[in-house]
Amino acid sequence: QKEVEQNSGPLSVPEGAIASLNCTYSDRGSQSFFWYRQYSGKSPELIMFIYSNGDKEDGRFTAQLNKASQYVSLLIRDSQPSDSATYLCAVRYSSASKIIFGSGTRLSIRP
Amino acid sequence: GAGVSQSPSNKVTEKGKDVELRCDPISGHTALYWYRQSLGQGLEFLIYFQGNSAPDKSGLPSDRFSAERTGGSVSTLTIQRTQQEDSAVYLCASSTITGAETQYFGPGTRLLVL
Repeated sequence: QKEVEQNSGPLSVPEGAIASLNCTYSDRGSQSFFWYRQYSGKSPELIMFIYSNGDKEDGRFTAQLNKASQYVSLLIRDSQPSDSATYLCAVRYSSASKIIFGSGTRLSIRP
Repeated sequence: GAGVSQSPSNKVTEKGKDVELRCDPISGHTALYWYRQSLGQGLEFLIYFQGNSAPDKSGLPSDRFSAERTGGSVSTLTIQRTQQEDSAVYLCASSTITGAETQYFGPGTRLLVL
């Protein structure tokens, strides 16, 4: 069983709509959760991190964490064509442990 | 402000040869990670260095893979007797444990084993 799972997509969303990306993880004790964006041929870049249950908002992005259900999601409001990329979910068990990535979800924003 | 650098950017080698990939982390970052990404796939964890602690080598796929970090800074990933399935992009990232724990990724080394 993979430690971090994501739907590979592609997820196609019309411009201006809300894109919803989901991720589940297997280790119930995990403490830190990250969302990265990766454009084709480029390295991943951090969008958001979240530690506590609930929502965390940053501009058009909202991360949602539910530790009881072991899932973390990313919402992108007012989706733009420039949001088209692969979104990687990452999980860390503790502050001194490795960070494990999911396989990523390809998001396509259609004009 | 220099970011994470990796060299070489591209490497083509023949099956059976050894290769060395280099990572220069951001100055002052105590944590260093190596990942592998095959075409269209996610990031596969390889190894993690944190300060003076023993590295977490749990992701290394075989004993042909090894890595070291000298002086808490530069790291070298060595692949011995390369195989075609080793072809991938090898990404290095560094971070500081304090604060947001943001990982900063290097541009990667694209390895092609013929």
